[in-house]
Amino acid sequence: QKEVEQNSGPLSVPEGAIASLNCTYSDRVSQSFFWYRQYSGKSPELIMSIYSNGDKEDGRFTAQLNKASQYVSLLIRDSQPSDSATYLCAVRLGYGQNFVFGPGTRLSVLP
Amino acid sequence: DGGITQSPKYLFRKEGQNVTLSCEQNLNHDAMYWYRQDPGQGLRLIYYSQIVNDFQKGDIAEGYSVSREKKESFPLTVTSAQKNPTAFYLCASSNDRALQPQHFGDGTRLSIL
Repeated sequence: QKEVEQNSGPLSVPEGAIASLNCTYSDRVSQSFFWYRQYSGKSPELIMSIYSNGDKEDGRFTAQLNKASQYVSLLIRDSQPSDSATYLCAVRLGYGQNFVFGPGTRLSVLP
Repeated sequence: DGGITQSPKYLFRKEGQNVTLSCEQNLNHDAMYWYRQDPGQGLRLIYYSQIVNDFQKGDIAEGYSVSREKKESFPLTVTSAQKNPTAFYLCASSNDRALQPQHFGDGTRLSIL
């Protein structure tokens, strides 16, 4: 099992819909979880972090964490074409400094 | 404006040649990182440095070398020992040493001639 897994996509949603991006991780004791957005040919940009079970909201973005299921997700409400990008999940695995990126999910928001 | 500058944007390597990718930051960050990104894959850590004159191997350090003589600079050399160097290389930095990259440069795309 890979340490951090994501569906590669592409995930296509119509403009205005909710986009749901999912990520699973292998190490049960992981404590810190992050979402980065990467536009094509550009560098990643940190958009959300979450450390506790439950939901964390920031504007149109909501990160959801379920440590029991080893699952973290990112919801994008009122999706816009400008949200079209690859979304990378990253996890600080275990108690140490092993910071691992998932392969990313490509999101396409259709006008 | 503070940020990370990577150069060149595109680089071509000939067989048996070493090439060096530049990374400069003016964010006054202690930690700097080099990642490699291949199509359809996440970022993989090559080397990182948490303080000047010290650096550590990441997950895929073979065929690469780095130096950290100044806080602002963390150049990456892709040696001839790296047999599959074609990739997108990203430099990053953070103001803590927790191995979590906060800011990225615009990347260097390296190809083999």
